[in-house]
Amino acid sequence: EVQLVESGGGLVQPGGSLRLSCAASGFIFSSYEMNWVRQAPGKGLEWVSYISGSGDTIYYADPVKGRFTVSRDNAKNSLYLQMNSVRAEDTAVYYCARPPMTREIWFDPWGQGTLVNVSS
Amino acid sequence: SYELTQPPSVSVSPGQTARITCSGDALPTQYAYWYQQKPGQAPVVIIYKDTERPSGIPERFSGSSSGTTVTLTISGVQAEDEADYYCQSPDSGDTYGVVFGGGTKLTVL
Repeated sequence: EVQLVESGGGLVQPGGSLRLSCAASGFIFSSYEMNWVRQAPGKGLEWVSYISGSGDTIYYADPVKGRFTVSRDNAKNSLYLQMNSVRAEDTAVYYCARPPMTREIWFDPWGQGTLVNVSS
Repeated sequence: SYELTQPPSVSVSPGQTARITCSGDALPTQYAYWYQQKPGQAPVVIIYKDTERPSGIPERFSGSSSGTTVTLTISGVQAEDEADYYCQSPDSGDTYGVVFGGGTKLTVL
């Protein structure tokens, strides 16, 4: 069974840092691109970042560019999101999501999400 | 930047047909995808590539496309279909990007 499990969320002060993780299982992790998608409380879905299977191609949404860094460790079947200089507007549930096939730009499955709360 | 526009809410009675639209300038050349999200849960894809239904998704869910608008149709709406629905499409720009519509709350009266 394909499974994605996020962790690392919590309360962080504005300007602080947090590292999210996504543990993958049930598929050949290195073969798939991965994405982070977030959802602010009561709001819609917002794509955050993409990383290729090898990790050598990375894209970010404009609101997080220069502050967030996506990475992966294929030996550990894990995806990461390093969040620096966080702002109140970064408060959201963060999901890791995988396309069903390589080179597809849609998501199935998704993890259950991890909540990041940026507040003083 | 590229946007997808959905109505904020749609209401139908059980057994009726619900239609949720999603409009975007690039939709004539980009596929659209639909996700269902229930409270406290992650989104689940219910339609991919405009009209295709993943295995396990009930036949009452269907998708269509016409010009700059794609439509999710739920025939014979059931109480369990009450949820938020999001359309999604690749960004129309030069590099990788993903755009979601603002979401539509489906209320089953």
